Amino acid sequence: QQQVKQSPQSLIVQKGGISIINCAYENTAFDYFPWYQQFPGKGPALLIAIRPDVSEKKEGRFTISFNKSAKQFSLHIMDSQPGDSATYFCAASRGRGADGLTFGKGTHLIIQP
Amino acid sequence: KAGVTQTPRYLIKTRGQQVTLSCSPISGHRSVSWYQQTPGQGLQFLFEYFSETQRNKGNFPGRFSGRQFSNSRSEMNVSTLELGDSALYLCASSSVGGREAFFGQGTRLTVV
Repeated sequence: QQQVKQSPQSLIVQKGGISIINCAYENTAFDYFPWYQQFPGKGPALLIAIRPDVSEKKEGRFTISFNKSAKQFSLHIMDSQPGDSATYFCAASRGRGADGLTFGKGTHLIIQP
Repeated sequence: KAGVTQTPRYLIKTRGQQVTLSCSPISGHRSVSWYQQTPGQGLQFLFEYFSETQRNKGNFPGRFSGRQFSNSRSEMNVSTLELGDSALYLCASSSVGGREAFFGQGTRLTVV
């Protein structure tokens, strides 16, 4: 059972455009939603995270939008740059986090110059 | 502050062998989690340790085990390796009460 569904699987965006990646979750007990960025040969790096009491969080060019009633959240990358080309994972966890993170399947993002 | 360190970076093992992977968390972090990453299944939670105790385990067979030492360093062991165990094994550490998980670069295990 896939508890976090991520789309699209791959995405091509022109330099300077907005990249949008969407995730939907099923378990209403989830209370922490991070996004990770992974480059080839590297481990995932934490980008930004949100909790369900907030509808939006912005850090630099990265924004998370959260819709609790729809059980959906999304990552927006503004002014996308070639250096943003990577695989992005959404994730969710509950409680103290001891159950670990449940990850989406990932989105392979390519920013064309 | 040094990040999460995993050793070795690459391993090639033969089916039926066992393997031990090591993880040193960020200084001061006491929670260590392990994940398996494969192209087909993505990132999957293996287990989590805090203060030398396993607090939870994902849906993996008993061949996968781990432990944590008093200095918070952790090891995971896979016995009787199968071809399907080929994957990138990632370790993440978190601070006490913290939800942010910081990952190492992983150990690439290839089973032949």
